[in-house]
Amino acid sequence: DAGVTQSPTHLIKTRGQHVTLRCSPISGHKSVSWYQQVLGQGPQFIFQYYEKEERGRGNFPDRFSARQFPNYSSELNVNALLLGDSALYLCASTREGLNTEAFFGQGTRLTVV
Amino acid sequence: AQKVTQAQTEISVVEKEDVTLDCVYETRDTTYYLFWYKQPPSGELVFLIRRNSFDEQNEISGRYSWNFQKSTSSFNFTITASQVVDSAVYFCALTGPMDSNYQLIWGAGTKLIIKP
Repeated sequence: DAGVTQSPTHLIKTRGQHVTLRCSPISGHKSVSWYQQVLGQGPQFIFQYYEKEERGRGNFPDRFSARQFPNYSSELNVNALLLGDSALYLCASTREGLNTEAFFGQGTRLTVV
Repeated sequence: AQKVTQAQTEISVVEKEDVTLDCVYETRDTTYYLFWYKQPPSGELVFLIRRNSFDEQNEISGRYSWNFQKSTSSFNFTITASQVVDSAVYFCALTGPMDSNYQLIWGAGTKLIIKP
């Protein structure tokens, strides 16, 4: 079975632009979570989706939004990019909630210049 | 509020030495879950272990072992006979009942360097 896949792997954007990151969970997993990891720090929770509904939101501005599709894949959108948005964006897949083992993709490295 | 502290920023040991990574957590919940993840240079977080708050039994998996002590709010991770392939950043994480707003709370990580 394929693991969690994220695309693209690397991305360079200019300040003020918009970006869309994509994630496909493991087959059979219904929950997807997004995390931002700045270099040298632990991941910070952005969103969790389950069965296409938002179940949790971290302390991020409204420029960050996400959605989950009927096939359980997910998109993370960031508008009006700032230099501080440069980070590794990680997607995690779980069967249901986060109390169980979460499987992570390799992430999307976003650089804002 | 929930918090995870990994006080060791970086640890460097010579191959075959034993090494312990410390994790201290704070939570008011009586039901919670603790995790350890490994992040190699490739960036992907690899699940190592999950422990719930009602199970204080220590666990051993090959060269890896975990010591969970509720009395000191610690969940330490020991690698026995370390190998170069163990070099990575290791994260301890915590989540509470109903997923505490559905998020994992992460420590800052400990960078482990195993020298040949």
